[in-house]
Amino acid sequence: DSGVTQTPKHLITATGQRVTLRCSPRSGDLSVYWYQQSLDQGLQFLIQYYNGEERAKGNILERFSAQQFPDLHSELNLSSLELGDSALYFCASSVGGISYGYTFGSGTRLTVV
Amino acid sequence: GESVGLHLPTLSVQEGDNSIINCAYSNSASDYFIWYKQESGKGPQFIIDIRSNMDKRQGQRVTVLLNKTVKHLSLQIAATQPGDSAVYFCAENDNSGTYKYIFGTGTRLKVLA
Repeated sequence: DSGVTQTPKHLITATGQRVTLRCSPRSGDLSVYWYQQSLDQGLQFLIQYYNGEERAKGNILERFSAQQFPDLHSELNLSSLELGDSALYFCASSVGGISYGYTFGSGTRLTVV
Repeated sequence: GESVGLHLPTLSVQEGDNSIINCAYSNSASDYFIWYKQESGKGPQFIIDIRSNMDKRQGQRVTVLLNKTVKHLSLQIAATQPGDSAVYFCAENDNSGTYKYIFGTGTRLKVLA
């Protein structure tokens, strides 16, 4: 167990729907990062939050949004889902402020049908 | 289940032999690099890191080499074991103050018995 908890582990939904992925960071970590991993691609950075505030944005679609709550857990909201959104979504956390890399959760596998 | 791309470069190594996995990075401003291991159905796990002021770092059975001149990183695994079978990613920090990492596309390591 890495200490980063992601729920749900699997999600199957239809096109056009909206889903929420949840991440609880490792205890003491202030930063949360979301990554998307598709079959044909590596890990693509989506967005980072640090202590509740958005810190960096990557290739995140406008249909996607995220937030980090006061208890530091984070949610990634995916709306108007398309078949191409099917992927593994990983959350990672770090203490922030120290470039020691981060710890990943086990991911949420999203399948859009 | 399948966690990463079907079209990754693959390195097949006999059990007990040494493995060398290579990675080219893109950002000459990056000053910190990490190798991650991703087993099927799991999130990436930290293996070893190296800072740009070093050219070699050793861990337990693993060594990372950094050549900043040609922006090349390699991971050497000694006496490769079946448990080493996984996809390996290199990651570079983007050095923009966000502690965001840019991941390579990954290499699949297959250990042959």
